[in-house]
Amino acid sequence: IAGITQAPTSQILAAGRRMTLRCTQDMRHNAMYWYRQDLGLGLRLIHYSNTAGTTGKGEVPDGYSVSRANTDDFPLTLASAVPSQTSVYFCASSGESSYNEQFFGPGTRLTVL
Amino acid sequence: GQNIDQPTEMTATEGAIVQINCTYQTSGFNGLFWYQQHAGEAPTFLSYNVLDGLEEKGRFSSFLSRSKGYSYLLLKELQMKDSASYLCAVIPGDYQLIWGAGTKLIIKP
Repeated sequence: IAGITQAPTSQILAAGRRMTLRCTQDMRHNAMYWYRQDLGLGLRLIHYSNTAGTTGKGEVPDGYSVSRANTDDFPLTLASAVPSQTSVYFCASSGESSYNEQFFGPGTRLTVL
Repeated sequence: GQNIDQPTEMTATEGAIVQINCTYQTSGFNGLFWYQQHAGEAPTFLSYNVLDGLEEKGRFSSFLSRSKGYSYLLLKELQMKDSASYLCAVIPGDYQLIWGAGTKLIIKP
């Protein structure tokens, strides 16, 4: 693994189903983030984690949950998907550089019908 | 509230110069980022400014004025591969970024 990986690449999901988006990084970064990106709205922060064992809510957390059991993994769960959660989801991480540049995974395109 | 504004779309000609502006109003300021995002791909880091002035990196330069809450990204000798969205983001505190909606740059031959 080099950098950040996300799975799946894309998914079509029926409304009401539970879904977990996976994110793994091998850079030993402390901070990790989940964003959604919708046309015309830019990147919006869903949840973040400053270090393993801690998580926090971002701008649009409703309907999503996260966990951070270790440094490398940061899964995002939709407990009961709704059509408004159709979006592209990006996972990112930042490390100990002087300016905390964020590195992004390739994204997951999720469609909820 | 916290707000970042940038133009929605710009068009420029191959070989020319283009300036993409970004204005921000945030609760704090620990730096401003520019990212490039090609269609269907993840954002990638271009530049970081925390002090006033111009930072040059090859064909790309980024300028910051903290007193005016203003930054711009300058792209010289435009190439077709520069067609992408350019995202401005501010880090008000320690980790989290506040993102603009992005500027879609269209390069014409």
